[in-house]
Amino acid sequence: AQKITQTQPGMFVQEKEAVTLDCTYDTSDPSYGLFWYKQPSSGEMIFLIYQGSYDQQNATEGRYSLNFQKARKSANLVISASQLGDSAMYFCAMREATETGRRALTFGSGTRLQVQP
Amino acid sequence: DGGITQSPKYLFRKEGQNVTLSCEQNLNHDAMYWYRQDPGQGLRLIYYSQIVNDFQKGDIAEGYSVSREKKESFPLTVTSAQKNPTAFYLCASRLRTGLTDTQYFGPGTRLTVL
Repeated sequence: AQKITQTQPGMFVQEKEAVTLDCTYDTSDPSYGLFWYKQPSSGEMIFLIYQGSYDQQNATEGRYSLNFQKARKSANLVISASQLGDSAMYFCAMREATETGRRALTFGSGTRLQVQP
Repeated sequence: DGGITQSPKYLFRKEGQNVTLSCEQNLNHDAMYWYRQDPGQGLRLIYYSQIVNDFQKGDIAEGYSVSREKKESFPLTVTSAQKNPTAFYLCASRLRTGLTDTQYFGPGTRLTVL
């Protein structure tokens, strides 16, 4: 069975500084996808970044980058130059194994990030 | 503007009532999903549909039902058999290309049982 672990229930960061949110995963499927979503207080899940298991380079999207360490089974999210609007819950997720046919997402428990002025 | 809409944003239900949550997408995505989120937790899969007129149970389907008569629409009914329906419900649709396989979410419906 797949599992996503986020060990940081909450994080604080000063505005304009960088912050790393941790995510480790467990799967026996050689092909998988890893995702990060942001959930502000409004509740909507906003897609941030995607990393495929066969991608050679770490994914980047603007101020977001994914530090993908396959051997360690980690997929940490790095947010550079934090902004007050980055305050939200952040979820790491993995696309389910191919043989399930569902292609649904398995989510971690989330990390609440608070950016301080 | 392409996207996923869910309605209503807030829904109150009396015990014993069935209620239906709407999910519509104009992204032309084939696959759609319903997830449930309880406070302080991640999302759990209720039902999914890979194509029109076909849907499958997820991990916590008991007390829920769905239909998929149109590509754009995937409504979720919370029946009186669902013992603890108070939660936040999120609908998603899936974009699959040669480079990515990503789910995009609607704004959610918060259901409260009175």
